[in-house]
Amino acid sequence: DAKTTQPPSMDCAEGRAANLPCNHSTISGNEYVYWYRQIHSQGPQYIIHGLKNNETNEMASLIITEDRKSSTLILPHATLRDTAVYYCIVRGGSNYKLTFGKGTLLTVNP
Amino acid sequence: AAGVIQSPRHLIKEKRETATLKCYPIPRHDTVYWYQQGPGQDPQFLISFYEKMQSDKGSIPDRFSAQQFSDYHSELNMSSLELGDSALYFCASSLDRYSTDTQYFGPGTRLTVL
Repeated sequence: DAKTTQPPSMDCAEGRAANLPCNHSTISGNEYVYWYRQIHSQGPQYIIHGLKNNETNEMASLIITEDRKSSTLILPHATLRDTAVYYCIVRGGSNYKLTFGKGTLLTVNP
Repeated sequence: AAGVIQSPRHLIKEKRETATLKCYPIPRHDTVYWYQQGPGQDPQFLISFYEKMQSDKGSIPDRFSAQQFSDYHSELNMSSLELGDSALYFCASSLDRYSTDTQYFGPGTRLTVL
């Protein structure tokens, strides 16, 4: 499985954009980048995923670099309810499971 | 929209007892995954099923077994419970088993072993 590296924690002011980075330098051509978040002890919540193009949905945007070795999850207007652990996960090929790393604890401050 | 249902939400057992956790996937989802999250840890994959057959296996103890039934619901059976089995157990389902099929998680079952 391709490994991911994320900062352990980040802070963001309420109303501002939160930009969460992820490095996945060993990603293979058929592997997707998935983002999930977990709000204290709740089930992980799917946010977004992509292969090589930038993606946007109602929750967030995903920017993947051209060489696909890193990506950034953008929450455009963070709210207090966005405080959670955010996981960047690489998944693909014959690997169907999700392998969770340490994730980034995002704290949104008022 | 319908979500993944897990039951029970909370379960308290004594050491050496058995426990059965149930998972009801989103309608039309035929793939189920089980994950375990210990205190202060990240979720870890246990086992998965596709079309009622085991499709992948992680670090699942031999004391645990699981199956998927004809209606696609799944049960995780845990025997000879140990204190270290105390954890959150999440079930996730997806439309199919491929890497493009998003997994959606249930709310989890909190198992406490005394």
